[in-house]
Amino acid sequence: DTGVSQNPRHKITKRGQNVTFRCDPISEHNRLYWYRQTLGQGPEFLTYFQNEAQLEKSRLLSDRFSAERPKGSFSTLEIQRTEQGDSAMYLCASSLRIDRAETQYFGPGTRLLVL
Amino acid sequence: GESVGLHLPTLSVQEGDNSIINCAYSNSASDYFIWYKQESGKGPQFIIDIRSNMDKRQGQRVTVLLNKTVKHLSLQIAATQPGDSAVYFCAEKPTGGGNKLTFGTGTQLKVEL
Repeated sequence: DTGVSQNPRHKITKRGQNVTFRCDPISEHNRLYWYRQTLGQGPEFLTYFQNEAQLEKSRLLSDRFSAERPKGSFSTLEIQRTEQGDSAMYLCASSLRIDRAETQYFGPGTRLLVL
Repeated sequence: GESVGLHLPTLSVQEGDNSIINCAYSNSASDYFIWYKQESGKGPQFIIDIRSNMDKRQGQRVTVLLNKTVKHLSLQIAATQPGDSAVYFCAEKPTGGGNKLTFGTGTQLKVEL
């Protein structure tokens, strides 16, 4: 088991550019989550998938953000027309749906800096 | 050493002492709680969890206590080691709130040699 992996680990971009991050969950985990974390704060929920279906989106997820999980395995998070306020750590987590007490395991995150 | 979580974001303890990290959660309808440890530059690492039908759960060197009456969660770390230095977050999953976790703001634990 290699755990949740995320790529790239760091991304520096200029304002207005588009960026895409990838998350590979723990194999056989059917749920995948995206969170955003700014310095000194806890992670904030963005969206989650069960298999390939996107079941919930936070109000934080503006129309510049889109997430996909086309085959129910890896997921991508794209940010279009990046703004300086998008600078944050983007965390992916996965879990196996058993009951309400399902543990979410996090990846190392992608740190985004928008200049 | 003991912290009050949101009000004292940094807790310093001597190596070998026990640590107590506190968390006041917000939603009385939450039915599942998790403690995560986050080291600098890394993602949150699962430590221990507890369901709302329990008031105590023990792991290896860690114990989580849940007091639903006052909506309080604590993490006790026995014989704190330098490797325990990190930020600790409590997270809750509200009943009927989907599957998202709501995180507290975290407590920085510093272990002094």
